[in-house]
Amino acid sequence: KQEVTQIPAALSVPEGENLVLNCSFTDSAIYNLQWFRQDPGKGLTSLLLIQSSQREQTSGRLNASLDKSSGRSTLYIAASQPGDSATYLCAVEANNNNDMRFGAGTRLTVKP
Amino acid sequence: DAGVTQSPTHLIKTRGQQVTLRCSPKSGHDTVSWYQQALGQGPQFIFQYYEEEERQRGNFPDRFSGHQFPNYSSELNVNALLLGDSALYLCASSLGWSVRYGYTFGSGTRLTVV
Repeated sequence: KQEVTQIPAALSVPEGENLVLNCSFTDSAIYNLQWFRQDPGKGLTSLLLIQSSQREQTSGRLNASLDKSSGRSTLYIAASQPGDSATYLCAVEANNNNDMRFGAGTRLTVKP
Repeated sequence: DAGVTQSPTHLIKTRGQQVTLRCSPKSGHDTVSWYQQALGQGPQFIFQYYEEEERQRGNFPDRFSGHQFPNYSSELNVNALLLGDSALYLCASSLGWSVRYGYTFGSGTRLTVV
């Protein structure tokens, strides 16, 4: 059974810092991995999608990497801003069937 | 271009009652998936509907059922509500089965069972 773990559970940083969020998964046979952002009480916003054949994806100040063999992904946020404060979730899709398994998320607070 | 629309936004029900949640997918999407997110947890996959049929199902009891209509909208029904069913219920739509063609979440329905 695929299990997804995110560390740390919570993170507080001052504005301007670069930071890394970690995601690990137990079964390396994944189809893709996706990072989402969730604001309190809201739905999920897709940030980056990495196909299993890819190693990384970039969007603006965000960079996500994927190492299938070690079962790990990282989300790098450059020059953090207070508006980045949210919960970040990673999810893996095993068989191209939309059954995504999510981690519990990392709650990020960026202080002005 | 409307995104995924869910209704109602909040709902309070009594234990043992039944509830129906609704979802309208993003324009151009034909597949709807439902997730349950307990407080402080990641979403858990309930089931997915495509071409008006349940295609995939997660580890949820038969009390959870659904339906997809010809216009691709969907309903999630939960019978015999338990306190543990209190959660944020998220609907996500996509074009076809794979998330790689775009996967959009709604803002969710917050269900509280008392």
